[in-house]
Amino acid sequence: NAGVTQTPKFRILKIGQSMTLQCTQDMNHNYMYWYRQDPGMGLKLIYYSVGAGITDKGEVPNGYNVSRSTTEDFPLRLELAAPSQTSVYFCASSYSVATNEKLFFGSGTQLSVL
Amino acid sequence: TQLLEQSPQFLSIQEGENLTVYCNSSSVFSSLQWYRQEPGEGPVLLVTVVTGGEVKKLKRLTFQFGDARKDSSLHITAAQPGDTGLYLCAETSTGANNLFFGTGTRLTVIP
Repeated sequence: NAGVTQTPKFRILKIGQSMTLQCTQDMNHNYMYWYRQDPGMGLKLIYYSVGAGITDKGEVPNGYNVSRSTTEDFPLRLELAAPSQTSVYFCASSYSVATNEKLFFGSGTQLSVL
Repeated sequence: TQLLEQSPQFLSIQEGENLTVYCNSSSVFSSLQWYRQEPGEGPVLLVTVVTGGEVKKLKRLTFQFGDARKDSSLHITAAQPGDTGLYLCAETSTGANNLFFGTGTRLTVIP
């Protein structure tokens, strides 16, 4: 099973450039999430979605946008890249957020903004 | 916003030693999960604890949920190099739609 697939694996952007991080899952999960992880830190939630057409902000949404047109896909858009957005980005999915429901993570996208 | 504090932040030990890492909150957990993250990969779930006082064992790993459900610990017996990684605790509160992660404990087990 593919699980959660993220592309690209690595990317370097110049300040002010835009890009979309792709995320797709094949487990028919309702919930999807975007996290960022800075060096030596845990994960901070950027945006999440509880189903197709429904998205909401997490802890650190500024500078990002998302859409959820299908159950499978949850792309993350950076419109004007800034050095503060240098990080590793993880997409995750789950069937629900019941107390014992686990998150399945992708392998991450390492982004550098120079 | 929930605040999960993990300690220690870094831990380096010799193979065969025992260790304990901690996860604490100022709020009561609805449930708590422990994940391990290896370099270049996403976190992988190790265990979920739900009931105060609960103890779960996963081979050489023992997870404990505090009676008051505001803290949790992970104890590793006879650590091996394969245990090296970032250990993250995460919790979801009743009615919340997402999981909050702690800052993590980075463990290195030296052969």
